Amino acid sequence: DGGITQSPKYLFRKEGQNVTLSCEQNLNHDAMYWYRQDPGQGLRLIYYSQIVNDFQKGDIAEGYSVSREKKESFPLTVTSAQKNPTAFYLCASSLADRWGEQYFGPGTRLTVT
Amino acid sequence: AQTVTQSQPEMSVQEAETVTLSCTYDTSENNYYLFWYKQPPSRQMILVIRQEAYKQQNATENRFSVNFQKAAKSFSLKISDSQLGDTAMYFCAFMSTMEYGNKLVFGAGTILRVKS
Repeated sequence: DGGITQSPKYLFRKEGQNVTLSCEQNLNHDAMYWYRQDPGQGLRLIYYSQIVNDFQKGDIAEGYSVSREKKESFPLTVTSAQKNPTAFYLCASSLADRWGEQYFGPGTRLTVT
Repeated sequence: AQTVTQSQPEMSVQEAETVTLSCTYDTSENNYYLFWYKQPPSRQMILVIRQEAYKQQNATENRFSVNFQKAAKSFSLKISDSQLGDTAMYFCAFMSTMEYGNKLVFGAGTILRVKS
């Protein structure tokens, strides 16, 4: 079955530690995205990538980093510089020229204490 | 920058009835795309429906339809014959065709509860 996988579903870290969230897709989609979702707010874009080896900052990129070495994979690292990292993180992908029609993964709930 | 406003934080509807969720947006562009996404309790987002601004005809997908009022910058979602599985948070989203990256801008969402 084609789709997007995110792992793990729940992640716990101590403050000051970097943590990497995984996102893999087998839809052969060109673009991939990372969003953050907080209670009472819509999704906010962290980073996105439209082609391999290229990515762009979204609206809230500070304290995050990404890589896109393979078309299928777009891992997100939450660094210790991110002031409020506890949140629900969603990864998505889309075909080129259908950027708005995004397919989402199941999400990762990150808790930092 | 474009903004998307969903003025109804929560709504409820009886099973089999019809409900309309509101969305307004702000843009100076003439051509763009609008979307409704659904996030059920499982939290996996699903695209419900899309509308291209240059098309006059309102989009329809089975029980879901939109009322697109371009001049008023309004994009409401109508769900007919509501089912328990429609219980979810619904997000309205805007996408520019001009800005690099064609990014989605989401509203804050409306929680819809379908009651039996």
